[in-house]
Amino acid sequence: QQQVKQSPQSLIVQKGGISIINCAYENTAFDYFPWYQQFPGKGPALLIAIRPDVSEKKEGRFTISFNKSAKQFSLHIMDSQPGDSATYFCAATSGSRLTFGEGTQLTVNP
Amino acid sequence: GAVVSQHPSWVICKSGTSVKIECRSLDFQATTMFWYRQFPKQSLMLMATSNEGSKATYEQGVEKDKFLINHASLTLSTLTVTSAHPEDSSFYICSASPPGLAGPDTQYFGPGTRLTVL
Repeated sequence: QQQVKQSPQSLIVQKGGISIINCAYENTAFDYFPWYQQFPGKGPALLIAIRPDVSEKKEGRFTISFNKSAKQFSLHIMDSQPGDSATYFCAATSGSRLTFGEGTQLTVNP
Repeated sequence: GAVVSQHPSWVICKSGTSVKIECRSLDFQATTMFWYRQFPKQSLMLMATSNEGSKATYEQGVEKDKFLINHASLTLSTLTVTSAHPEDSSFYICSASPPGLAGPDTQYFGPGTRLTVL
């Protein structure tokens, strides 16, 4: 049973636009919510992460918005660039165990 | 910092043979390492969690006799796929947690190993 649901499955954005990826979780024991970026043939790389006691975290062009009551969180990529084209995974941890969302393939057109 | 390497990056083997994949934390000691499998265009699925000096904990549905995991030191974990078959072909990725470096909930991932079984 998928405990972290991610949408959309794919996303096409124009250069300079905002990319938004959404995730929802069920397990209230999750206590850490990272986002990973993965390029083809590479391992995922930690992008940004948030804990449930914070509603928003921003690092450069990347922002996580977190809604604890709705059990939802999202990644916003501002001023999207072609180099951001990759697959993005949201995840949630309970203890040290990571549960991944299904992934979103982002394409940023020049 | 927090670099994890894997070797080999890709391997092709014949059906029935065994393949060993190494995962190393290069600049930190990892008491816990994780092994994931990823099929094309799919998410990462946790296979097992290994703690240094103890037996690995396998996820439900993962055959422990087929996927042997050894975490012999604080910087090295190995995954051996025994008697590999074409359905074992996948992208295998390890990760390691550095206690105290970025928090116990942070996992740093290796670059992955592409296994193709003919």
